[in-house]
Amino acid sequence: QAQLQQSGPGQVEPSQTLSLTCVISGDSVSSNRATWNWIRQTPSRGLEWLGRAYYRSKWYYDYLFSVKSRITFSAETSKNQFSLHLSSVIPEDTAVYYCARGSVTGTSWFFDLWGRGTLVTVSS
Amino acid sequence: QSVLTQPPSVSGAPGQRVTISCSGSSSNIGAGYDVHWYQQFPGIVPKLLIYGNTNRPSGVPDRFFASKSGTSASLAITGLQAEDEADYYCQSYDSSLGGSSVFGTGTKVTVL
Repeated sequence: QAQLQQSGPGQVEPSQTLSLTCVISGDSVSSNRATWNWIRQTPSRGLEWLGRAYYRSKWYYDYLFSVKSRITFSAETSKNQFSLHLSSVIPEDTAVYYCARGSVTGTSWFFDLWGRGTLVTVSS
Repeated sequence: QSVLTQPPSVSGAPGQRVTISCSGSSSNIGAGYDVHWYQQFPGIVPKLLIYGNTNRPSGVPDRFFASKSGTSASLAITGLQAEDEADYYCQSYDSSLGGSSVFGTGTKVTVL
């Protein structure tokens, strides 16, 4: 049974960088059938996909347009994990952040495995 | 902001049927991208309910039925049960602004 274990701080100061890590068990970060995603949720904006990392002979990273200038993903094959780095955070980045595995149907990806979520508060 | 629009809430008595709509556009559902559905209880991680427009993962009761047509999709719950009271979200892909997975605005199902 695959699992995703998230870790990272629950509070980040404004203008700093939010970093979260998701460790995969029961699957591989370098799987050629999956993507590895970060999704966040707030009461006002609902569920918001932030981006994905995936390996297809090399690493690819896709990011949500609205955060593209501030977001970076990384993946470490040796640790079977992937990470999110969101820079210059503002209070509006306060959210529950989830990592999730993406699997594909014919035309779009769905998320069939989720981490437990990390509430990150942007506050000084 | 979500590009897939759902009604904020629907309600029904036990045993009844409720339907949740998911309205999109020509850059997402209308472009032929598959729609998926999630169920979320308060404080709990979203759970995949339907994938690929109509498919139920193992363990999901056949009371949950989904369909897609044109620029919209819908999720129906038949034989409504108290345990179905939760938030439901649709999700698809949108090709605008470089492309991204997108979620619906969410619908709260209340069992009367």
